[in-house]
Amino acid sequence: RKEVEQDPGPFNVPEGATVAFNCTYSNSASQSFFWYRQDCRKEPKLLMSVYSSGNEDGRFTAQLNRASQYISLLIRDSKLSDSATYLCVVAVNNDMRFGAGTRLTVKP
Amino acid sequence: NAGVTQTPKFQVLKTGQSMTLQCAQDMNHEYMSWYRQDPGMGLRLIHYSVGAGITDQGEVPNGYNVSRSTTEDFPLRLLSAAPSQTSVYFCASSRDRFPGNTIYFGEGSWLTVV
Repeated sequence: RKEVEQDPGPFNVPEGATVAFNCTYSNSASQSFFWYRQDCRKEPKLLMSVYSSGNEDGRFTAQLNRASQYISLLIRDSKLSDSATYLCVVAVNNDMRFGAGTRLTVKP
Repeated sequence: NAGVTQTPKFQVLKTGQSMTLQCAQDMNHEYMSWYRQDPGMGLRLIHYSVGAGITDQGEVPNGYNVSRSTTEDFPLRLLSAAPSQTSVYFCASSRDRFPGNTIYFGEGSWLTVV
């Protein structure tokens, strides 16, 4: 079983739609959680950290459910520029574990 | 704003050849690392360094070597290339190993071993 699992997608949504991704992790000792964004043939870049109480950054909302060991990312009012692969990242004992990513395509 | 610079961007190697992927950062970061990214898999840590003169193995170190003689540079050496090492390689740096620090990645190196 992978330490960090994501639905690979692709998620194809129209502009303006709301889309949500989930990510599950296997290690209950995981300490920190992040979402990174990776454009096609580019490097990953930090999108946002995920805090226990949930957090929001503009159109993006991240939530953590420690009991069920998953994190989620909600994107509201999708833009064409949101098209990318979203990587779930979990830190365990200072080691970062990356999910394989969920691919999102936003269409006009 | 250079950030993390890695070269080459593309490389084709024959099985058994050796090569070095170069990585440099100008942010005075203590922590540097190398990852490989394969289809359907998350980035996997190859080697990392918490400071000049200190390196350690990550999840998939076999077939790779690293050194950290300066804070800025962290080259990755493929000792004897194998087709299984065909992958996209990312160098990364962060202020230190604490997970709360943002990881900055280089633009990637696409390596094909034939």
